[in-house]
Amino acid sequence: QGQLLESGGGVVQPGRSLRLSCAASGLTVSDYAMHWVRQAPGLGLEWLAVISYDGSYIFYADSVKGRFTISRDNSKNTLFLDITNVSVEDAAVYYCARDFVPMDPGGASEIWGQGTRVTVSS
Amino acid sequence: EIVMTQSPASLSVSPGERATLSCRASQSVSSNLAWYQQKPGQAPRLLIFGASSRATGVPARFSASGSGTEFSLTIDSLQSEDFAVYYCQQYGNWPLTFGGGSKMEIK
Repeated sequence: QGQLLESGGGVVQPGRSLRLSCAASGLTVSDYAMHWVRQAPGLGLEWLAVISYDGSYIFYADSVKGRFTISRDNSKNTLFLDITNVSVEDAAVYYCARDFVPMDPGGASEIWGQGTRVTVSS
Repeated sequence: EIVMTQSPASLSVSPGERATLSCRASQSVSSNLAWYQQKPGQAPRLLIFGASSRATGVPARFSASGSGTEFSLTIDSLQSEDFAVYYCQQYGNWPLTFGGGSKMEIK
């Protein structure tokens, strides 16, 4: 059974930068758009960003535009999320997810990782 | 940005009963609507895509309908494993947006 595994979370100081990774194992992701979604403690899901299967288009939530950068390396089956100028509002569990339909511009998320937790503290 | 509003925010239901959850979009998303189930400490699970199609492995007691701005998810004969938080998500317009969730608890 294939899976997505996020990494890169942990404790980060406000104002610092952070790179989250999402590695696919036993799972094809190169033909699919990929998403990042986060969930702050006790709150709901917040969609953050999507990157098309070939990286040719990218969309962000308004709340993170300018500070978050999504990218991918299909040769390594890995997705990334770079976060700059981290704030306390960025504390959350960050999930990566594979889109439902191959080659689709971006839609429902069928396969999810287990998440990586980001804690913001000085 | 399309705002997704879910109701009720929480509901208490007895096992074996039927539950219906609602999701409303601030503007039409056609049938580009998904439903997810999330249990404590777990990642979300895709239940429904295209407003009414069950994802692989989802039991037939889950059904969904709607289009445009009004959607619903119905769970027949609730099982213990169905008590969770349910989210709707529109993927008809950028940015994608989730509803605030409906928490289903055991009565």
